[in-house]
Amino acid sequence: GQQVMQIPQYQHVQEGEDFTTYCNSSTTLSNIQWYKQRPGGHPVFLIQLVKSGEVKKQKRLTFQFGEAKKNSSLHITATQTTDVGTYFCAEVLTGNQFYFGTGTSLTVIP
Amino acid sequence: DGGITQSPKYLFRKEGQNVTLSCEQNLNHDAMYWYRQDPGQGLRLIYYSQIVNDFQKGDIAEGYSVSREKKESFPLTVTSAQKNPTAFYLCASVQGAGNQPQHFGDGTRLSIL
Repeated sequence: GQQVMQIPQYQHVQEGEDFTTYCNSSTTLSNIQWYKQRPGGHPVFLIQLVKSGEVKKQKRLTFQFGEAKKNSSLHITATQTTDVGTYFCAEVLTGNQFYFGTGTSLTVIP
Repeated sequence: DGGITQSPKYLFRKEGQNVTLSCEQNLNHDAMYWYRQDPGQGLRLIYYSQIVNDFQKGDIAEGYSVSREKKESFPLTVTSAQKNPTAFYLCASVQGAGNQPQHFGDGTRLSIL
């Protein structure tokens, strides 16, 4: 399978602190999608990045795609308890096959 | 409401038994997928299907089988050959080819008795 590494695996933050998860690949990514999975739930699509250097924002969430299209990041500003969950990046391969990163589990301490 | 329905939510398997997990979607999506998720790990692809009567193995297909006789349905059978089946199984679907988000069902949690 493809090699999409995601770090860190776990992150504990105090409520109000920022959080960042990184997705790295040794090869050029065609595009990258981000998903959030709440505890006990299923992954829910957040956003897709396609262009080199692309930056997209959703309220307190900022998504970036690297200039070389080999990495991506998700940054959450001023975390809230509702941000708790596991965040996954996923590469969409030729033939509509998806390859998910290992995920970053976020715990927010009130 | 359109969506993906997985059943049952919880399933228990005895040694040597085959069990089938159901996945139905009314989104009119072409492609469907089965993933396995173990605690603290990501989603690993078991099988996927782009069209009816066609499917491909993913990274961990051994011990599993699927069928795609109808566009709406993509059942997964966990056979007795799968020696460590305890996991959370997620079914997903996507419309069209490329650059579309996956929609997931609520999952089935399979345990060994």
